[in-house]
Amino acid sequence: NAGVTQTPKFRVLKTGQSMTLLCAQDMNHEYMYWYRQDPGMGLRLIHYSVGEGTTAKGEVPDGYNVSRLKKQNFLLGLESAAPSQTSVYFCASSYERFNAFFGQGTRLTVV
Amino acid sequence: QKEVEQDPGPLSVPEGAIVSLNCTYSNSAFQYFMWYRQYSRKGPELLMYTYSSGNKEDGRFTAQVDKSSKYISLFIRDSQPSDSATYLCAISPRAGGTSYGKLTFGQGTILTVHP
Repeated sequence: NAGVTQTPKFRVLKTGQSMTLLCAQDMNHEYMYWYRQDPGMGLRLIHYSVGEGTTAKGEVPDGYNVSRLKKQNFLLGLESAAPSQTSVYFCASSYERFNAFFGQGTRLTVV
Repeated sequence: QKEVEQDPGPLSVPEGAIVSLNCTYSNSAFQYFMWYRQYSRKGPELLMYTYSSGNKEDGRFTAQVDKSSKYISLFIRDSQPSDSATYLCAISPRAGGTSYGKLTFGQGTILTVHP
């Protein structure tokens, strides 16, 4: 039972490049989330999903897109990476709205 | 205005001290109130949750919610060096609203308990 798996764990991008972060959960959870964590800023919600085929914007959605075509996967896309998107990205999933399980994080550096 | 505000600290206490961590929130539409703990270079893990005003106790940890003042607290008794971590409060709105399913975190408080 893997829980929440994020791919990749580390990545360095050049400004303007694109990439997709993959989040996969094997717990049949309805809710999935993408956060970024920067020093002193806590976890800021980028986008979230309340079920397969649904997505909604969080606090900091600009520059990111998401898709949830399958219940177990939640993809986060950066179309044109900027240095301001250098961060640690966490994916989470939950069955109920108060017990989210987090992945190990993806450390992204944009140079 | 952020939906939930938390003093980022850092907070440094001696072993055995009582620790008090606090958050305020802006909207009475929130239903669930949670505390997560995050160790360095790890993802957060749920510590406690509550959905009503009052206290909830779990061992050395007590979560408190005051909905009238929109204030949530976490108390740690007899703190241990192993409690050193970042503590994040989180809120989730009740069903039926446009933000249903949203899970919002505070900035996190970095706690160090020294021997």
